[in-house]
Amino acid sequence: QKEVEQDPGPLSVPEGAIVSLNCTYSNSAFQYFMWYRQYSRKGPELLMYTYSSGNKEDGRFTAQVDKSSKYISLFIRDSQPSDSATYLCAMKTSYDKVIFGPGTSLSVIP
Amino acid sequence: EADIYQTPRYLVIGTGKKITLECSQTMGHDKMYWYQQDPGMELHLIHYSYGVNSTEKGDLSSESTVSRIRTEHFPLTLESARPSHTSQYLCASTPGDTIYFGEGSWLTVV
Repeated sequence: QKEVEQDPGPLSVPEGAIVSLNCTYSNSAFQYFMWYRQYSRKGPELLMYTYSSGNKEDGRFTAQVDKSSKYISLFIRDSQPSDSATYLCAMKTSYDKVIFGPGTSLSVIP
Repeated sequence: EADIYQTPRYLVIGTGKKITLECSQTMGHDKMYWYQQDPGMELHLIHYSYGVNSTEKGDLSSESTVSRIRTEHFPLTLESARPSHTSQYLCASTPGDTIYFGEGSWLTVV
């Protein structure tokens, strides 16, 4: 079993839809949780970062962490065609072990 | 916003050539990473550094080498490029919690 599993996708939604992207993990040593957006032929761009259980909101994006269930989610409200990209979850321990999910490809159709 | 720069962004070179991919960051981060990512595939850690004169191999075996003579500079070198080295190479750095990526260097070996 991989340390981090991510919903495989690809995901295709109509413009304006709410998108839910999810990852599960098995290592309880992970303390920092991140979501990245990666456009084609670009480097990953940090979208959201959190280190505690609960919700963190930034504009149309909400990151949710449930440490007891080892589950993280990213919600995108009012999705736009410009949100079409691959989304990577990532988790980091305090001693610098970092694991990235394989990514979920999202297409938002106008 | 991350200040991490990679050059060249795109490069096509012949088999057997030596190539150095440059990576610089202006954030004063001690820890830096190199990842390799094939199109549509996962990120794989190939090298990392905890600071000046520190270099370590990552999870994915790579024929490339790295050096860290200055905090802000972490170049990656391929002594003799082969078509199997064709990939995207991503440089990253961390202040301890999150990870910031450069735009990536796309290498094609013909």
